Order: sequence, then structure tokens, then C-alpha cells
Amino acid sequence: QITLKESGPTLVKPTQTLTLTCTFSGFSLSTSGVGVGWIRQPPGEALEWLALIYWDDDKRYSPSLKSRLTITKDTSKNQVVLTMTNMDPVDTATYYCAHRGRGYGYALGYWGQGTLVTVSS
Amino acid sequence: DIQMTQSPSSLSASVGDRVTITCRASQSISSYLNWYQQKPGKAPKLLIYAASSLQSGVPSRFSGSGSGTDFTLTISSLQPEDFATYYCQQSYSTLSFGQGTRLEIK
Repeated sequence: QITLKESGPTLVKPTQTLTLTCTFSGFSLSTSGVGVGWIRQPPGEALEWLALIYWDDDKRYSPSLKSRLTITKDTSKNQVVLTMTNMDPVDTATYYCAHRGRGYGYALGYWGQGTLVTVSS
Repeated sequence: DIQMTQSPSSLSASVGDRVTITCRASQSISSYLNWYQQKPGKAPKLLIYAASSLQSGVPSRFSGSGSGTDFTLTISSLQPEDFATYYCQQSYSTLSFGQGTRLEIK
């Protein structure tokens, strides 16, 4: 059974760096074809894809946020970490991580519950 | 970037109705199109992948079609639990989502 869970601060100040951790179970990020992505959703708004990391350490970023994002993985800990620099109140959102796998056409088949991050001084 | 545009943005329908939501890509994405359902306060749930493949456990009243730039999600007979927001998402070139379609009870 695949599960994912996001963790990190619930409140960050403007200009600070946000670090979020996705801890997962039920799959290995060293298996060919597997990826983990980050997606966010501001309150009342649409989903926005942020970043993806693959089993071979290939990394992809949203073009509009690329300069602020870094995604890394720790295969031994079953974790993926996303950092976002220079946080702003418009970055207030629920942040999700999700599993991308071959079994469902490389869609995002399993999602974490999400974690709400508020950016405020 | 590939832009995804859904229509309508919101829709009112009744239990038992047949509903269709459309999604258009700004360039051809072959069949790299997925559909998700999201209920308030919950994470999105995968319904359809690769344009027309039903995810395991999803009721057969949900179906998807299309290729290239134009895609549809159809719910054949709305059930009370189907009232939610639906998102399309392309996976042809990195990822991007549509703006969502909110399906409300009439």
C-alpha cells in the first residue's frame, strides 16, 4: 500500500526559505520509472505543479518557479525534500506530494494529505 | 509551457444527469492527459489516466476520451458523491493542470 505524508512548518515569514519533507512508504524511489512530485493549491484556487524527481535523480521544475525551487531525494530514508526560497504571502497554500508511477500511465496516482503553509509576518 | 484550459469553470447538474467536462491543451499532447476529482479539504484523486483508462476502483460511470489537444471527461449518471471539483492534467511535457471545473448540485 502506497502512502505519502508531507511535513514542515505551518507558518513562515516573508523572505524565509520553506523546507518541506515528503515521507513515503509502499514503493522505492530507486525503482525504474518511479517519481515523486510536489503540487500546491492556494486557498480556493487551482492546483499548481511545482517539481518532480525521478528514480534516476532526474529533476524537473515549474518554469515560473524554477529559480526558487530545489528538489532532492534520500532513497534510504524514503523521503523527498522540497525547498522554496524567498517566500511571499502569495505562496500561502496547501502543499501536496504525490507518487508518479508506471502502473497508471505516469499520472499522479497517490497523494499525501497535504500540509497548509501560511506565509505571514 | 503547455497551457490547459477547462470548460466550463462551473456546472450545475442534478443526480442522474449526464455531464461532460472538456479540457483543451495549447499544443498536442497525444494521450498524455489525466483527470482528477477533488472534494473540499481532501487531496485530489486520480480518475482517468492516459486520456481514457479508468483508474482501479473508480466507478464505470466515469469515462474519458480524446487525443491531441481536445479531451472530455464524462459522468454518465451523476451520483451524490460526484459533486466535486475536477481537474485535467497533462504529462506530455513536465506537468500542468487545468483551472478546474466545479460541479455543483442544481
